[in-house]
Amino acid sequence: DIQMTQSPSSLSASVGDRVTITCRASQSISSYLNWYQQKPGKAPKLLIYAASSLQSGVPSRFSGSGSGTDFTLTISSLQPEDFAAYYCQQSYSTLWTFGQGTKVEIK
Amino acid sequence: EVQLVQSGAEVKKPGESLKISCKGSGYSFTSYWIGWVRQMPGKGLEWMGIIYPGDSDTKYSPSFQGQVTISADKSISTAYLQWSSLKASDTAMYYCARLKIITMVRGYFDSWGQGTLVTVSS
Repeated sequence: DIQMTQSPSSLSASVGDRVTITCRASQSISSYLNWYQQKPGKAPKLLIYAASSLQSGVPSRFSGSGSGTDFTLTISSLQPEDFAAYYCQQSYSTLWTFGQGTKVEIK
Repeated sequence: EVQLVQSGAEVKKPGESLKISCKGSGYSFTSYWIGWVRQMPGKGLEWMGIIYPGDSDTKYSPSFQGQVTISADKSISTAYLQWSSLKASDTAMYYCARLKIITMVRGYFDSWGQGTLVTVSS
């Protein structure tokens, strides 16, 4: 199985901060990397697909980059509604796997 | 508008069977894979398996193979996740999600159901 490792596991940030979350794959997954946001008590929501494509309706402050094994999700200016958990997910292998998640909390 | 509507919360005893559902609307149900994702209390997301309702082709995560059965009834645009004998460790939120294909079976989950909470307790 391809293992996905996110860092950090949690972070504290203030409104307006630039936030970066990293996801590393245990082997190359090309650009088959997706990012999801999950707020408490809600279903996950797709933010970024194919490493850097912004899902329709998602604010442009969210961006993704990377290929191969190293990927990044960036929030350019953190907003109050962005405090949530974020998960990466690879679809290169048919045994899809998620990262363990990164919780973004209010400082 | 694409919608996936899941069945309601369930409380079951260990050893009981259960089948939960996910009804799709607003798109061609037989043309998209549907996946199931588990989230145990306070934990992350785990992919369980997917099904293509058009021909019922199914793929399972090794972690869930033999533990659950995924099926679909395309006549009513509904996918199912079922257990024959529940365990306390099956207590979790279960989500269905539509898979948008990029190529082959690689893609992303672009629409999600609201989740079904399954509680297994004696």
